[in-house]
Amino acid sequence: DIQMTQSPSSLSASVGDRVSITCRTSQSIGSYLNWYQQKPGKAPKLLIYVVSSLQSGVPSRFSGSGSGTDFTLTISSLQPEDFATYYCQQGYSMPLTFGGGTKVEI
Amino acid sequence: QLQLQESGPGLVKPSETLSLTCAVSGGSISTSTYYWDWIRQPPGKGQEWVGTFYYGGTTYYNPSLKSRISISGDTSKNQFSLRLNYVTAADTAVYYCARRVRVGPSTGSFDYWGQGTLVTVSS
Repeated sequence: DIQMTQSPSSLSASVGDRVSITCRTSQSIGSYLNWYQQKPGKAPKLLIYVVSSLQSGVPSRFSGSGSGTDFTLTISSLQPEDFATYYCQQGYSMPLTFGGGTKVEI
Repeated sequence: QLQLQESGPGLVKPSETLSLTCAVSGGSISTSTYYWDWIRQPPGKGQEWVGTFYYGGTTYYNPSLKSRISISGDTSKNQFSLRLNYVTAADTAVYYCARRVRVGPSTGSFDYWGQGTLVTVSS
């Protein structure tokens, strides 16, 4: 199985801050990396697929980059509705696996 | 608009079978374009992919659960189901059903999710 390691596990930030979250995989997955946002009591929401493609309806302040084993989700200017937990997921091979999550807090 | 809705018992006794159904509306499970998955999330933890139903009856399972799991689909009702045998407390989780879409050779991403249902394993 491909192991997914996110860092940091949590971070504190303020509205307007630029925030970056890293996801590292145990083997190269090319560009098959997806990002999700999850708020308490809700299902995850797809933000970005294949590294940098923005899902329909997702604000442009979200962006993704990386390739191989190292990937980054960036929020250019944090908004109040962005406080949530973010997960990466590899779409390279079965079994599909997720990162442990990064909680973005005030 | 596609909608997925999980249903099933919220409490299951240890060693018994967990059974959940995902009803899909606004789209058909009888399409080669999409995969229909189960994902679970233990309280306070991250997600674990459980398994997949694909049109024509093809299934894929997480190897960690393979000996205990069965996923099936009912195209007449446009729903798919999960059965997990011999459950323990470690199977306590919110169970989500989701649609997965592939991009090129990628195994894909989950673009639509159900609201999730908490299943607790306890006597």
